[in-house]
Amino acid sequence: TQLLEQSPQFLSIQEGENLTVYCNSSSVFSSLQWYRQEPGEGPVLLVTVVTGGEVKKLKRLTFQFGDARKDSSLHITAAQPGDTGLYLCAGDARGDDMRFGAGTRLTVKP
Amino acid sequence: NAGVTQTPKFQVLKTGQSMTLQCAQDMNHEYMSWYRQDPGMGLRLIHYSVGAGITDQGEVPNGYNVSRSTTEDFPLRLLSAAPSQTSVYFCASSRGLAGVDTQYFGPGTRLTVL
Repeated sequence: TQLLEQSPQFLSIQEGENLTVYCNSSSVFSSLQWYRQEPGEGPVLLVTVVTGGEVKKLKRLTFQFGDARKDSSLHITAAQPGDTGLYLCAGDARGDDMRFGAGTRLTVKP
Repeated sequence: NAGVTQTPKFQVLKTGQSMTLQCAQDMNHEYMSWYRQDPGMGLRLIHYSVGAGITDQGEVPNGYNVSRSTTEDFPLRLLSAAPSQTSVYFCASSRGLAGVDTQYFGPGTRLTVL
């Protein structure tokens, strides 16, 4: 059983559509991170959220940390083919032990 | 800066063989970690280090050893490879705690154990 559950597991959409992916847990995290990973490469950090209810924006990407610090969402507006990749969330349970979700594999078709 | 480098890129082992996966970083980061990534499982922490001479176990440490003799290097040793260790291995480093500071990942080592 994953500590962090990500949904959906796979998502295929057309260019220009909006989408939201989710990262849920029954545990409280001191911080939560979102990464994007492309084939054959390591994950690259997109954002870190640390305060319950926090919302961060990175161009067309909007990240939200749940009020109880147990869940997070990533919303992409007007998706582009360059957004294609594996999106991973990761939580810091105790300061030095990162736990990752299994990821959402996003495909944006031109 | 080269960032985080890993060697080799690919490796095939037979059951029972040993090998060392190399990881080096040139950012003077104190924190370094090893993860494995399996389909449908995300990344799982194997071992980590908060500085030279200090290591600790992560979520899945069995079958792996690490040491940290210098700030730059953090090798991962498989003493007796098993098919269950077939995976993609990533090394990462960060200036401070991984949950607070940016963690930089290497390109990965794809290991197959026959």
